[in-house]
Amino acid sequence: QQQVKQSPQSLIVQKGGIPIINCAYENTAFDYFPWYQQFPGKGPALLIAIRPDVSEKKEGRFTISFNKSAKQFSLHIMDSQPGDSATYFCAASKGNTGGFKTIFGAGTRLFVKA
Amino acid sequence: ETGVTQSPTHLIKTRGQQVTLRCSSQSGHNTVSWYQQALGQGPQFIFQYYREEENGRGNFPPRFSGLQFPNYSSELNVNALELDDSALYLCASSLGGGGVFGQGTRLTVV
Repeated sequence: QQQVKQSPQSLIVQKGGIPIINCAYENTAFDYFPWYQQFPGKGPALLIAIRPDVSEKKEGRFTISFNKSAKQFSLHIMDSQPGDSATYFCAASKGNTGGFKTIFGAGTRLFVKA
Repeated sequence: ETGVTQSPTHLIKTRGQQVTLRCSSQSGHNTVSWYQQALGQGPQFIFQYYREEENGRGNFPPRFSGLQFPNYSSELNVNALELDDSALYLCASSLGGGGVFGQGTRLTVV
């Protein structure tokens, strides 16, 4: 099963709030889980990524929590700002020779109120 | 040279025509992946090229084809365009790990 399920579809938080976006996968062969941020008219930009041997990774205000047994992972954005308003995609990929083939979730549109 | 560059940025084609989209990979990256992103959806994997060979393909018909050149730049070709092919086409270059995406080509089929 190649699907990655992402929720919620959209999210509105106040400035300073902590939006949480959740993803679930089926294929246990996936070994790399990136999160991307996409602004209108732009390509996705890699935010942060985790591998399944780690339960949590933090980079700046962005934290990934990973639950291997439940096949779920989530993105937390600390102290969210209006500039964080964008669409966020979780993804899962399996590395092989030459690169990683990435399967994306459907996306979460985040709006941070000033 | 840094970053991934795609051309053209916008394109309008008529149903049944053929189109070629281009991608210049980031310096040092030997793998290019192509994605189709419909409005309001996540990118869907089309195929990947590694050292000029196709290295995996998503659920797209054969009229979607590609090439990778010795400098690792790439082309996506779509024949017999259909209205549903209207989308943002993204390429991503990588050297293992997460890819670096270009800004995309917005294709509209009328």
